[in-house]
Amino acid sequence: AQKVTQAQTEISVVEKEDVTLDCVYETRDTTYYLFWYKQPPSGELVFLIRRNSFDEQNEISGRYSWNFQKSTSSFNFTITASQVVDSAVYFCALSESTNAGNMLTFGGGTRLMVKP
Amino acid sequence: DTGVSQDPRHKITKRGQNVTFRCDPISEHNRLYWYRQTLGQGPEFLTYFQNEAQLEKSRLLSDRFSAERPKGSFSTLEIQRTEQGDSAMYLCASSPRSGQGGLETQYFGPGTRLLVL
Repeated sequence: AQKVTQAQTEISVVEKEDVTLDCVYETRDTTYYLFWYKQPPSGELVFLIRRNSFDEQNEISGRYSWNFQKSTSSFNFTITASQVVDSAVYFCALSESTNAGNMLTFGGGTRLMVKP
Repeated sequence: DTGVSQDPRHKITKRGQNVTFRCDPISEHNRLYWYRQTLGQGPEFLTYFQNEAQLEKSRLLSDRFSAERPKGSFSTLEIQRTEQGDSAMYLCASSPRSGQGGLETQYFGPGTRLLVL
């Protein structure tokens, strides 16, 4: 069965610090997809990134970067020079290719608080 | 292109009452998903539709829950005889049909927050 673990329930940093959010997953499939979503206080889940299991190339988008390592089943998310607006709950999610509906399995989320 | 919309955004009801939520997906997205999120937890899958067909239901979806997508556009989620344990955020998401060899991203609505007293 698929499972996603986000061991950090809450992280607090001061603005401009770098912060890494950890995500570890379990799956028996060789083909799967990993996601990160952001949930601000308004409640809406905002899509950030999607990765398939065959693409281990790290990605950078502005202040955001993602490190995907199949060897450790991890898909970590780093925010560089954090800002107050980054304060939110961040979710890592997994979808297996054998799952016909492509439904997502989410981790428990990491609440990030960025203080001015 | 407007995003996924959900109505109402908030609902307070008394135990035993029936409630119905609506979701309007992004136009031309043929897949629609319902998730439930309780406080401090990640969303959990409830059910999904491809066009008007309900193709998968989670064991979380008890007999008191029913979902429909009659014309393959908007969807409704009804909870009958609500219980306090039904209090949660109900999230709807939509995605286009998966392309060959791929998977399409799910885009979420703002959710309906239900409180059962």
